[in-house]
Formats: sequence, C-alpha cells, structure tokens
Amino acid sequence: QSVLTQPPSASGTPGQRVTISCSGSSSNIKRNTVNWYQQLPGTAPKLLIYSNDQRPSGVPDRLSGSKSGTSASLAISGLQSEDEADYYCAAWDDRLNGWVFGGGTKLTVL
Amino acid sequence: EVQLVESGGGLVQPGGSLRLSCAASGFTFSDHYMDWVRQAPGKGLEWVGRTRSKAKRYTTEYAASVKGRFIISRDDSKNSLYLQMNSLKTEDTAVYYCATSDGSFLDYWGQGTLVTVSS
Repeated sequence: QSVLTQPPSASGTPGQRVTISCSGSSSNIKRNTVNWYQQLPGTAPKLLIYSNDQRPSGVPDRLSGSKSGTSASLAISGLQSEDEADYYCAAWDDRLNGWVFGGGTKLTVL
Repeated sequence: EVQLVESGGGLVQPGGSLRLSCAASGFTFSDHYMDWVRQAPGKGLEWVGRTRSKAKRYTTEYAASVKGRFIISRDDSKNSLYLQMNSLKTEDTAVYYCATSDGSFLDYWGQGTLVTVSS
C-alpha cells in the first residue's frame, strides 16, 4: 500500500490530453513539493517535473504539473506514442522522514 | 554529464549480507545528498534511505522497512556511495537505484543493480 495514491492506469489516443492524479496527506504533499518521474520499460526513472510544476531542461512543455492542498496532478497534452510509460509522483514525508511514492500509473497510448 | 553506476548486486541467501556501490561522476559529489531507491519485480518505487552532504554532517535517514539492517555510507574522496545490506529477507529482492538529490527532489538516477534474496 503506497502512501501516495495514484490510479493504476490511464489511457488516451494520440493528440489527446490526459491527467494523472496523486493524492497524499498533510505530512507530505500539503507541506512539501511534489515531483513526477517517468519510467520507460526496462529503464531507470527519469525526473519529469520537480517542485510541483517545474520542468528540467529537455522535458517538453506539453507536460505540466500542479498541486493543490493534499493533491497533485500531472497533465500530458498532445499525447504521443513515446509517452507510454509508468509515471510516479513523490514527495518528502515529514512524519516518516523520507520520500514517499505513489504506486505508479501505467499510461497506455491507444 | 552526470553518471551514476551501481554495482555489487547478485544472489544472496536469506539472512546474508551484500554491499552495493554507486560510482558517481560529472558533478560535485560532495555537495549532494545521495539516496537509494528500490523496485521489487513488477512493483513500484520504494525509498530505502539517504545520506546528506558534508555540510549537513553526512546525516542519514532510513525507511522503516530497512532501519537497523541497512547502512548507507559515502566516500567523497572516491565519489562513491555505498549500501551495506545485512540480515537480508526475501522481500528485499529488488533493483536498487542510487540517485542524486538537492534535498527537494531526486534528479539523476543510475541504471540500477539487481539483488535477489533466495535460498
């Protein structure tokens, strides 16, 4: 059971916009920033969004993040086949004194 | 270019020990926190622990699931991070990743090393 809650799956057709949610609590998302990671099959996770809504260089602007209260979301617009991957949200948890992750969302491009 | 290369994984019996290493290059290792994150086969990501930088006196934090069994250390002179794993259990079977951190996010990740705990 993951501390942060994500839907196990999401899907969309090329060009569509999809949103992945991440729900937490007052000890993690409410107090700290949220980060998102993309994991392509058989590879290491890659930082996609940090500090709620910031993109590292090289991440396209069709990906965006937001946070409100104890929830956060990742939006991917103009969906492409190469977006098919697992997506994880993460935040520092002040009560557990460590990083907590969502269970991951498998995004399928139909 | 930032590079993190883990090594030391393998097959170990329950109750045994293993030491993982993470060789870092392409950034000022001593300035960064370093974390270990693991992923059991077919499962999600689980944070294992972290060591802070010299400026933060190399303090460490551990997940409850490994506290008292795993020890994280670093050698800034060798740009290396270590994970000493003792009293291993079958549920410790996972790919172990090292990752750099500025404190508020994990930015670069290694390719991972597989640890299998089985008799």
